[in-house]
Amino acid sequence: GENVEQHPSTLSVQEGDSAVIKCTYSDSASNYFPWYKQELGKGPQLIIDIRSNVGEKKDQRIAVTLNKTAKHFSLHITETQPEDSAVYFCAARTAYSGAGSYQLTFGKGTKLSVIP
Amino acid sequence: GAVVSQHPSRVICKSGTSVKIECRSLDFQATTMFWYRQFPKKSLMLMATSNEGSKATYEQGVEKDKFLINHASLTLSTLTVTSAHPEDSSFYICSARRGLAGNTGELFFGEGSRLTVL
Repeated sequence: GENVEQHPSTLSVQEGDSAVIKCTYSDSASNYFPWYKQELGKGPQLIIDIRSNVGEKKDQRIAVTLNKTAKHFSLHITETQPEDSAVYFCAARTAYSGAGSYQLTFGKGTKLSVIP
Repeated sequence: GAVVSQHPSRVICKSGTSVKIECRSLDFQATTMFWYRQFPKKSLMLMATSNEGSKATYEQGVEKDKFLINHASLTLSTLTVTSAHPEDSSFYICSARRGLAGNTGELFFGEGSRLTVL
């Protein structure tokens, strides 16, 4: 099955600096890679995603890059703000099995702290 | 984005009782919903896949008689923790897949339900 590794587990940056979180996946058939932000005591919230036919996607201060050859994808947050502090999870979707499922394999999460 | 509502957000119950958690997709139909369990400072652990109108598919190690899942409509799935014990205390999160059948749907998560069993 799919295995997703996420690094670093914790990350502290000064407000205004950039933050980068990296994930690798094992299943070359995976074709969808979402990123989620989880604040304390809340459910994960989708912040950006990328599909395997695209190498980069940007949404304001957030961007995601995908390298299919190397099987890794990264989240980039620029001009970080204190409200960006949260746990971020990457995920990869295994190829559609035809059984009606849509399972995501999650990384272990990165706790981002933005220091004012 | 799409909205998934989960209720209750917090529940405290006595050992031996059963607790039901609801997951609703408010502005889209979800043929597939997922239930996760999350331990403190850990990632999400998939418990089961809930398909509307059919039996749920449970992950290895998850007791289906312990965690009853019902997906009676395209907007509602329920998780019932039966005969709860303190070790069942956890944060339970649901997600719903938006999109047509096939591999194009996005997943949206509920806010989670904190279960504490005394």
